[in-house]
Amino acid sequence: SQQGEEDPQALSIQEGENATMNCSYKTSINNLQWYRQNSGRGLVHLILIRSNEREKHSGRLRVTLDTSKKSSSLLITASRAADTASYFCAYANSNSGYALNFGKGTSLLVTP
Amino acid sequence: NAGVTQTPKFQVLKTGQSMTLQCAQDMNHEYMSWYRQDPGMGLRLIHYSVGAGITDQGEVPNGYNVSRSTTEDFPLRLLSAAPSQTSVYFCASSIRRNEKLFFGSGTQLSVL
Repeated sequence: SQQGEEDPQALSIQEGENATMNCSYKTSINNLQWYRQNSGRGLVHLILIRSNEREKHSGRLRVTLDTSKKSSSLLITASRAADTASYFCAYANSNSGYALNFGKGTSLLVTP
Repeated sequence: NAGVTQTPKFQVLKTGQSMTLQCAQDMNHEYMSWYRQDPGMGLRLIHYSVGAGITDQGEVPNGYNVSRSTTEDFPLRLLSAAPSQTSVYFCASSIRRNEKLFFGSGTQLSVL
């Protein structure tokens, strides 16, 4: 499989805490992306980090990329109940014409 | 803009039946793709297209056909439905492959 791997598979935290999710991948990449999926809905793009970037911020989101370790992390600061969702990393795979391949996701539960 | 529109939202088929899942986007995106999402498997790429008249296979193409006669539309055809094709199907588009994807709301398909 060319899929990336997110870690952990599931994460449960309380409102106000930070949530960190990790993603590992197997090939060289142009960029790595993170998506969120609320239950029963389509995926929504959160952030894209290019291979020449090491860190990127968007609101309460911080993404890091370590191409030497083929890994990325997504940090959500000051989590809210509305952040409850599944989070997926995605990267382009040269074996599939640089179409995006998705990991299996991290299921995040934020309790009040 | 409606974004990416998928129809139908739900469908039940009998084994051996054929059907077409419709996908349309109004953002003038060159790149379109189909994914299936199964529990514990994440999203897996079925087929993709980099422009009108150009399609290619993804990770799990068997049992599915696609065509791209216009920039806007990218239908997915199930030739002879099988229970293994029970899944949630997502269409997605982007301005170019390897860039931010916009997802439709999905089609939940059950094959009995």
